[in-house]
Amino acid sequence: EPEVTQTPSHQVTQMGQEVILRCVPISNHLYFYWYRQILGQKVEFLVSFYNNEISEKSEIFDDQFSVERPDGSNFTLKIRSTKLEDSAMYFCASSDWTSHTGELFFGEGSRLTVL
Amino acid sequence: SQQGEEDPQALSIQEGENATMNCSYKTSINNLQWYRQNSGRGLVHLILIRSNEREKHSGRLRVTLDTSKKSSSLLITASRAADTASYFCATAGNYQLIWGAGTKLIIKP
Repeated sequence: EPEVTQTPSHQVTQMGQEVILRCVPISNHLYFYWYRQILGQKVEFLVSFYNNEISEKSEIFDDQFSVERPDGSNFTLKIRSTKLEDSAMYFCASSDWTSHTGELFFGEGSRLTVL
Repeated sequence: SQQGEEDPQALSIQEGENATMNCSYKTSINNLQWYRQNSGRGLVHLILIRSNEREKHSGRLRVTLDTSKKSSSLLITASRAADTASYFCATAGNYQLIWGAGTKLIIKP
């Protein structure tokens, strides 16, 4: 069964460093998302991406964040200068929405620890 | 913004009992979805109910939707230890899902 894959599964970084989280969405999906979940808290929407551009973003997704689809398969989230409060699980998801079902397929997440 | 609110926040029941979780939301929706998250893992889609549906079943899962009250419930019948997880409702509007805080379900053996 097709799945969304994320790398790395866990990254530890020093405050102020740049981090890139990578995702390979399901190949025929059109919409891509990044979500964040601070330990024990809600799933928070960061950004959605369609047709090579951001379609929506939340207030969390400030200038420190950027997304890119550098080739036909990868979808990346970059945090330019990490802060302690960026420590969280970051989930990538994709959907096709062509049938308007809205079901999202999630990866297993990348745990980011900022020291 | 987060508009779904689940209750209870936590639920602990004996294996074999039924578990009911509720979700309320604020704005109009196209559909409402329920997801499960095992500790430290990704979210898994369980079931989707469209705004023109009132009830839906999938295996041991039963979802109801009351659009007049802007609420939904998820019932898990004959619970098993493997059902221990957090359960989230998410409402679908225009291409973005809005998530609730989740219900942590513990099934005691």
